[in-house]
Amino acid sequence: IAGITQAPTSQILAAGRRMTLRCTQDMRHNAMYWYRQDLGLGLRLIHYSNTAGTTGKGEVPDGYSVSRANTDDFPLTLASAVPSQTSVYFCASSVQQGNTGELFFGEGSRLTVL
Amino acid sequence: RKEVEQDPGPFNVPEGATVAFNCTYSNSASQSFFWYRQDCRKEPKLLMSVYSSGNEDGRFTAQLNRASQYISLLIRDSKLSDSATYLCVVNRGNTPLVFGKGTRLSVIA
Repeated sequence: IAGITQAPTSQILAAGRRMTLRCTQDMRHNAMYWYRQDLGLGLRLIHYSNTAGTTGKGEVPDGYSVSRANTDDFPLTLASAVPSQTSVYFCASSVQQGNTGELFFGEGSRLTVL
Repeated sequence: RKEVEQDPGPFNVPEGATVAFNCTYSNSASQSFFWYRQDCRKEPKLLMSVYSSGNEDGRFTAQLNRASQYISLLIRDSKLSDSATYLCVVNRGNTPLVFGKGTRLSVIA
């Protein structure tokens, strides 16, 4: 089934540990995004990538890194997790960044940092 | 001031009611506008785009007022299945979309 796949769907992590959230899309979309969603704060953009080989910082990039080695994959890494990074993380993609309004989201990864 | 602002609700309405949500945006350079729907513990999905002349999709009507910098979503004949959070989304051009925090709707039997 075409779309975006995120893994893991849920994870409990000790503070200080390194964690990579995986995101893969098979729609050949150029642009990909990582958001976090917290109660009362809505969706906030962490990092994005307009095309393979390029990345950009969003609204809340600190403590996170991304890479875009190819079109399909856009992993998000927490180098040293902290409790404030407890959140639901959504990966998304779009044909291209610009006037397109349709983002396709993955089902989310629920991360708890203790 | 946040770039996209919405009343968080919740809006609790009976089945069959008409309900409207507004959303204001602060950047006059915003170019395109959308409504997304997010069900509880699910990912957001595009509901509809908002065109300058207004547009309708079944029971849903979207309006844009550029002069006052707001968009609206009207839902007629509400169904239980319309219960969700509705996200207002703004595109400023060649930058990532900006999401509002969402308005929660509960349709009650």
